[in-house]
This record gives sequence, C-alpha cells and structure tokens, in this order.
Amino acid sequence: AQKITQTQPGMFVQEKEAVTLDCTYDTSDQSYGLFWYKQPSSGEMIFLIYQGSYDEQNATEGRYSLNFQKARKSANLVISASQLGDSAMYFCAMREGYNQGGKLIFGQGTELSVKP
Amino acid sequence: DTGVSQDPRHKITKRGQNVTFRCDPISEHNRLYWYRQTLGQGPEFLTYFQNEAQLEKSRLLSDRFSAERPKGSFSTLEIQRTEQGDSAMYLCASSLDAGGNIQYFGAGTRLSVL
Repeated sequence: AQKITQTQPGMFVQEKEAVTLDCTYDTSDQSYGLFWYKQPSSGEMIFLIYQGSYDEQNATEGRYSLNFQKARKSANLVISASQLGDSAMYFCAMREGYNQGGKLIFGQGTELSVKP
Repeated sequence: DTGVSQDPRHKITKRGQNVTFRCDPISEHNRLYWYRQTLGQGPEFLTYFQNEAQLEKSRLLSDRFSAERPKGSFSTLEIQRTEQGDSAMYLCASSLDAGGNIQYFGAGTRLSVL
C-alpha cells in the first residue's frame, strides 16, 4: 500500500536561510507522481511542485526544489531564502500513475515557522 | 482562469441534519476530487470523478455520503444524518489530463456538527 512519511512535525528556520523538509514514500509501483503543497492558516492547499517518477532532473519552481532520490524513496522539499510568508503547514503527497488522474495520499505534514 | 470554488466556506449544523456542499472546478478540468481533512492531519481521499463518471470511492465514504457531478462540471457532496465525527474541512480539487495531472484545491468548506 502507498504511504507517505513526514517525520518532522515542526521546523524552525531563520529568515533568508534555506530549509529542507523531509518526505519518504512507499510504493510498489514504478509509475507515480510526487507533490508538495503548502497550507497556510487560511486553510487553502496551494500546489508548490511536482516530480514524476521517470523525470531524470529534480523539479524546481522558483525558490522551491524537490530533491528526488528514487533509490532511497525520498522526495525532500528545499526552500531557499526563506521568507516570513513561508510559515505554514507543508504536505508531501503521492499519486500512483505517472501522468494520469487518481487520488493523492498525503503525509501528516510539517509545520514550518520562519523567524525574523 | 478562476480557481476552484467551494460553497459554502463554513457550515454549522445540528446532528442529524443533512448538508450539501458545492464545488466548481477550474473550467475545462475533467477530473474532480473530494477530500476530508481533520485537525492536525493531512487530507484523506473521499471520491473522484472523471467528467460525470465517479471512478473511485474511499471506504471512508459511508452510505450517508453521496457525491454527484451530473454534467461533468460542478459537483455536490451531500452528507445525510450528520454526526459529530463528520466535523472536518471538506476540500475539493480539480485537474486536467496533462502536465502531471496536478490537482488544484479550493479553499474548502469547514463543517461543524453540534
């Protein structure tokens, strides 16, 4: 069965520094997608970044990058140059299938606090 | 494009009452998903549609829950005979069969059952 594990319930980072949020996943499928979402206190889930299992390059979107290590089944999110507005819950999620629809399985989340 | 829209944003109801939530996906998105999120947890999948066809339902979706997407556009999620355990945030997402099939979420409907 698919499973996502986020082992850091809470993280602190100083403004302008980089931070890595950990995510490991478990699946027996070869084709899957990995996602990171941000959920501020307002509650809306905001899509940040996507990595397909066959993508050879690590995904990047502005200050966000996904450190994809397939053999270790990890998909860590790296946020560079943290900003106060980055304070939020961050969820890692997985979907079976490389480029198709289907349910997302979410981790428990990591609460990131950015200190001025 | 406007984003995913959910209505209402908040709903307070008494135990035993029926409630209905609406979700309007991003236009032209053919897939629509419903999730439930309780405090301190990640969202849990409930059900999803491809156009008007309901393709998968979670075991979480008891007989009291029903979802429809009659014309392949907006969707409704109805909970009959609400229970206090139904109190949660109900999230809707939509995606397009392209570019990773990324799911974009609405702001959610927060349900409180008294």
